[in-house]
Amino acid sequence: SYELTQPPSVSVSPGQTASITCSGDKLGDKYACWYQQKPGQSPVLVIYQDRKRPSGIPERFSGSNSGNTATLTISGTQAMDEADYYCQAWDSTTVVFGGGTKLTVL
Amino acid sequence: QVQLQESGPGLVKPSETLSLTCTVSGGSISSYYWSWSRQPPGRGLEWIGHISYNGSTNYNPSLKSRVTVSADTSKNQFSLKLSSVTAADTAVYYCARGRLATAAFGRKYFYMDVWGKGTTVTVSS
Repeated sequence: SYELTQPPSVSVSPGQTASITCSGDKLGDKYACWYQQKPGQSPVLVIYQDRKRPSGIPERFSGSNSGNTATLTISGTQAMDEADYYCQAWDSTTVVFGGGTKLTVL
Repeated sequence: QVQLQESGPGLVKPSETLSLTCTVSGGSISSYYWSWSRQPPGRGLEWIGHISYNGSTNYNPSLKSRVTVSADTSKNQFSLKLSSVTAADTAVYYCARGRLATAAFGRKYFYMDVWGKGTTVTVSS
């Protein structure tokens, strides 16, 4: 079965750029999306189709996907961006999540 | 706007069947895909399965033998049944609306854009 791998944690200083990676075999041949989940809340879609932002998601969130790695980039990271982030891809007929990355803003 | 609400027992005994319902308001389940995912305490998200607007289903291979997702269009609800549960099935269960689309060169992509608040299910005697 297809697997997506994320780093367990990433730290960033306020105002700096955070990059969260998601790796999978030939992931660049698929499309990735990203969810943000804050403690005690449901996931929120922040990026879909590699780089598109749903309505209401700030422009500081961006995405890319090439080769075996998809990347979520948060520019000018704010304290409110501290959360868990999950990548997700579609593999044939099934949905696959990455293990999640805890973003700490300190 | 579309809203989803999970409902069902919060406590299920081992070896029994977990049953949850997701009620959709503000939109019809006759379009899109309708998914279930779960999150064990302190762990990541796991996709369970979904039903499409035309009634076709897909399931996580690791759970497929125990899972059934069905829909009741008259009530605008869809449901999850997970049989032979154990403590490992203790989790927050989420329902969500999914979109499956086709881009260039026939490449498909799927994402879930509306989620319910989740419901906690504990498996314990």
